Amino acid sequence: DAGVTQSPTHLIKTRGQHVTLRCSPISGHKSVSWYQQVLGQGPQFIFQYYEKEERGRGNFPDRFSARQFPNYSSELNVNALLLGDSALYLCASSFRDSSYNEQFFGPGTRLTVL
Amino acid sequence: DAKTTQPNSMESNEEEPVHLPCNHSTISGTDYIHWYRQLPSQGPEYVIHGLTSNVNNRMASLAIAEDRKSSTLILHRATLRDAAVYYCILREGGSQGNLIFGKGTKLSVKP
Repeated sequence: DAGVTQSPTHLIKTRGQHVTLRCSPISGHKSVSWYQQVLGQGPQFIFQYYEKEERGRGNFPDRFSARQFPNYSSELNVNALLLGDSALYLCASSFRDSSYNEQFFGPGTRLTVL
Repeated sequence: DAKTTQPNSMESNEEEPVHLPCNHSTISGTDYIHWYRQLPSQGPEYVIHGLTSNVNNRMASLAIAEDRKSSTLILHRATLRDAAVYYCILREGGSQGNLIFGKGTKLSVKP
């Protein structure tokens, strides 16, 4: 079975641009979470979606937005990119949005903002 | 979620046991103790979790102190593939599912 997939794997943008990152969860998983990992730090929670509804949001500005589609895939959008948005963006899926459920992570999208 | 404290780094020799400590003195009665690890250039992966009793699975064992203020992840025979950053995370039972990561412990394994 395929694990969590993310696209693209790498991306280079310039300041002020917009970016869309995509995630496909494991088949049967209905919850998708997004995390940002800056070099040398642990991942930081951005959003969680379950059944197409936002279930949680971390401490990130409104430039960050996300959505989940009927097939449970998800997109993370970041507007007006800043240099500080350069990071590894991780997507994780789980069966439900509960803390009882293990989260399965994808390999991430490496975003570089110049 | 309550906070955890882990050493920044640890070293081990290949094929020897490794004990990775985690302090969580402010843990509440409903907090589960989860461990994830992140291999180089990969996303984190689940290792093990427990509430009160010690737990074993194919990857590791989790030893939980009687007062639950600390726990230890045990890798019985470290391999080079176990070199990773190990994160100890507390998750409130029944709460929404996001994980709160600290800096974790970077484990190096020497051949």
